[in-house]
Amino acid sequence: DIQMTQSPSSLSVSVGGRISITCRASQAVGKSVSWLQQQAGNAPKLLIFAASTLQSGVPSRFSGSGSGTDFTLTISNLQPEDSATYYCQHSYSTPPTFGRGTKVEV
Amino acid sequence: EVQLLQSGGGLVQPGGSLRLSCAASEVTFGIYAMAWVRQAPGKGLEWVSGIGFSGRDTYYADPVQGRFIISRDNSKNMLYLQMNSLRVEDTAVYYCAKDLRAYGGHENAFDIWGQGTLVTVSS
Repeated sequence: DIQMTQSPSSLSVSVGGRISITCRASQAVGKSVSWLQQQAGNAPKLLIFAASTLQSGVPSRFSGSGSGTDFTLTISNLQPEDSATYYCQHSYSTPPTFGRGTKVEV
Repeated sequence: EVQLLQSGGGLVQPGGSLRLSCAASEVTFGIYAMAWVRQAPGKGLEWVSGIGFSGRDTYYADPVQGRFIISRDNSKNMLYLQMNSLRVEDTAVYYCAKDLRAYGGHENAFDIWGQGTLVTVSS
């Protein structure tokens, strides 16, 4: 199975700030990485797919980059509603695995 | 937009069985692969099982292989997860999730999620 190593595990940031969350795959996965946001008590929500494509309806302050083994989710101009746990996930092969999550407090 | 409405779940004793259901609102349900993902209390997301768009191909995570069965009825826009020989460690919120791309396309993702249903395995 491909392992997704995500960091940091948590961070706290001020409103209007900018953060980057990284995910490293244990082997190359092309651009088959997505990023999800999970707010407390809710189902996950897709933010980014194919490493850098913004899902419809997601604010443009979310962006993704990377290919191969190293991927980054960047959130700029952070808002209080961005407080959530963020997960990376690969879809390169079965099983699709998730990172362990990054809890963001704004 | 497609919506996924889950039902089933609840409290069951170790060794017991439970069936989860996931109803899709869109008639094009039959062109998308589907999956079940679970989240143990206070933990991260774990893929459990997947099924191809036709239902012919099924896949399972090692911890549930041989105990869980995923199936679908495209005529009813329904996805199921039959869970047998349940263990305490199966306790989690279970989500159904839909593939973003039709026919299991390249660089896929889970774009629509059900609301989740809690399964508690305890004596």
